[in-house]
Amino acid sequence: EPEVTQTPSHQVTQMGQEVILRCVPISNHLYFYWYRQILGQKVEFLVSFYNNEISEKSEIFDDQFSVERPDGSNFTLKIRSTKLEDSAMYFCASSSLADTQYFGPGTRLTVL
Amino acid sequence: GEDVEQSLFLSVREGDSSVINCTYTDSSSTYLYWYKQEPGAGLQLLTYIFSNMDMKQDQRLTVLLNKKDKHLSLRIADTQTGDSAIYFCAERTSGGSYIPTFGRGTSLIVHP
Repeated sequence: EPEVTQTPSHQVTQMGQEVILRCVPISNHLYFYWYRQILGQKVEFLVSFYNNEISEKSEIFDDQFSVERPDGSNFTLKIRSTKLEDSAMYFCASSSLADTQYFGPGTRLTVL
Repeated sequence: GEDVEQSLFLSVREGDSSVINCTYTDSSSTYLYWYKQEPGAGLQLLTYIFSNMDMKQDQRLTVLLNKKDKHLSLRIADTQTGDSAIYFCAERTSGGSYIPTFGRGTSLIVHP
């Protein structure tokens, strides 16, 4: 069964450093999403991406964040200058229509 | 804004029924979802219900919706140790944003 994959599973970085989180969505899906979950808190929407552009973003998704689909398979989330409060699980998801989303296993980001 | 609330923990004995509860605030919610997250894995869509339904049954899973009270529940019959996971309730409306609003998740612990 096709699945969404994410790498790395765990990323540790120093405050102020740039990180890139990678996702490979399901191959025939057209919509892509990033969510995050700070430990003990709710899963929060960050951004959705369709047709090579951002279709929706939340207040969390400020200028420090960017997304890219550099090729036909990868979907990346970049955080330019990480802060301590960026420590969280980051989930990628994809969907064929703007409906049922399939999630990856997540990347745990730890900012020291 | 929309809000989804769940209790954080539920402990049951193997073979018993589990009932995980969720409340939401958005009266225009149209789709209500239950996701399951096993350790190290992504959020897996378990089931969903439309707001014009009161109940949906799928094998051991029963979803009950009380739209008046904005209360959603997931009942797992004959709970097994493999059901131990975090269960997320989510809701979204039919128009505009397709992004669901998630609760914090309920950790279901099944003990022998």
